[in-house]
Amino acid sequence: AQTVTQSQPEMSVQEAETVTLSCTYDTSESDYYLFWYKQPPSRQMILVIRQEAYKQQNATENRFSVNFQKAAKSFSLKISDSQLGDAAMYFCAYGGDSGGSNYKLTFGKGTLLTVNP
Amino acid sequence: SAVISQKPSRDICQRGTSLTIQCQVDSQVTMMFWYRQQPGQSLTLIATANQGSEATYESGFVIDKFPISRPNLTFSTLTVSNMSPEDSSIYLCSVGDRWTEAFFGQGTRLTVV
Repeated sequence: AQTVTQSQPEMSVQEAETVTLSCTYDTSESDYYLFWYKQPPSRQMILVIRQEAYKQQNATENRFSVNFQKAAKSFSLKISDSQLGDAAMYFCAYGGDSGGSNYKLTFGKGTLLTVNP
Repeated sequence: SAVISQKPSRDICQRGTSLTIQCQVDSQVTMMFWYRQQPGQSLTLIATANQGSEATYESGFVIDKFPISRPNLTFSTLTVSNMSPEDSSIYLCSVGDRWTEAFFGQGTRLTVV
């Protein structure tokens, strides 16, 4: 079974600074997807960024980028120029076909990000 | 991206009763998923609901406790039956036919008293 580990329960960053959230995972599959979701107090799960495992190029989405290290099974999220609105719980998630059309996700325990003005 | 509407957004229920949560998508999707997020915890998959077939439940979740309906390609319901305080959680539906479509509803915050 796949597992996702987020080793940082809480992180804080100063506004306009850069912060990196860590995520590692375990899988025996070669083709899979990785995600970062943001969950603000409103509890809406918002997709931040997605990475396909077969792509070597790291995904970027405006101020958000990932460092995907497939061999190390590491998938960290970098938030540049942090803004107050970035404060939220961030979840790393793994998605794999598991041999069939089953697009379920396995989530890490989350990292609570605080942005200080 | 798919727009997912989930109802109710929150509810407070008496123990022993049941609550049905609705999930409506603005486009047709093959697969819908129901997750539970217990207080301060991560998301755990309850079941996968495909249209026209029985839902597939994850280990630790059973149909008698969490019956699911999937009458068409845009709608699903999850019922939390015979509730106890331990069922107090956020319940979220998600849709995904491809990994580009892993989106979530806004969640239902359930409190059982």
